[in-house]
Amino acid sequence: IAGITQAPTSQILAAGRRMTLRCTQDMRHNAMYWYRQDLGLGLRLIHYSNTAGTTGKGEVPDGYSVSRANTDDFPLTLASAVPSQTSVYFCASSEGGGVGNEQFFGPGTRLTVL
Amino acid sequence: GQNIDQPTEMTATEGAIVQINCTYQTSGFNGLFWYQQHAGEAPTFLSYNVLDGLEEKGRFSSFLSRSKGYSYLLLKELQMKDSASYLCAATDSNYQLIWGAGTKLIIKP
Repeated sequence: IAGITQAPTSQILAAGRRMTLRCTQDMRHNAMYWYRQDLGLGLRLIHYSNTAGTTGKGEVPDGYSVSRANTDDFPLTLASAVPSQTSVYFCASSEGGGVGNEQFFGPGTRLTVL
Repeated sequence: GQNIDQPTEMTATEGAIVQINCTYQTSGFNGLFWYQQHAGEAPTFLSYNVLDGLEEKGRFSSFLSRSKGYSYLLLKELQMKDSASYLCAATDSNYQLIWGAGTKLIIKP
């Protein structure tokens, strides 16, 4: 593993189903983030974690949950998917959550909810 | 409210210079990032400015004016591979990034 990996690469999901997007980093970064990217809109923060064991809500957290049991993994769960959650999801990490910390992005998961 | 504005699309010619502008309004300010994103790929870091002035890095330069809430990314000697979206993001008082929608740069031969 080098950097950040995400799985799956893409997924088509029926509305109402539960889905977990996986994210793993091997850079020992403290902070991790989940964003969604929709056409015509900027990246929007869903949830973040400044260090293992802690999480926080971003701009658009409703319908999503996260956990940070260890430094490397930061899964995002959709408890009951809805069509408005169709988007490209990016996981990112940075050394810390403070000033000037560059965020490194995973390759993204393209999710379609029907 | 918090807001980042940048042009939706720009077109430039190979070998030329292009300037992509970004204005921001955030609750507190802790620096501004520029990222490049090729179609279908993840964003990658280009630059970070926290003090006023110009930061030069090869063919790319980034400028910040904190008093005006303004930044620009300058790309020189444009190459076809520079065709991508350029994302401006400001760090707010909670150290979270507020992202613009991105500027799609089209390079013509």
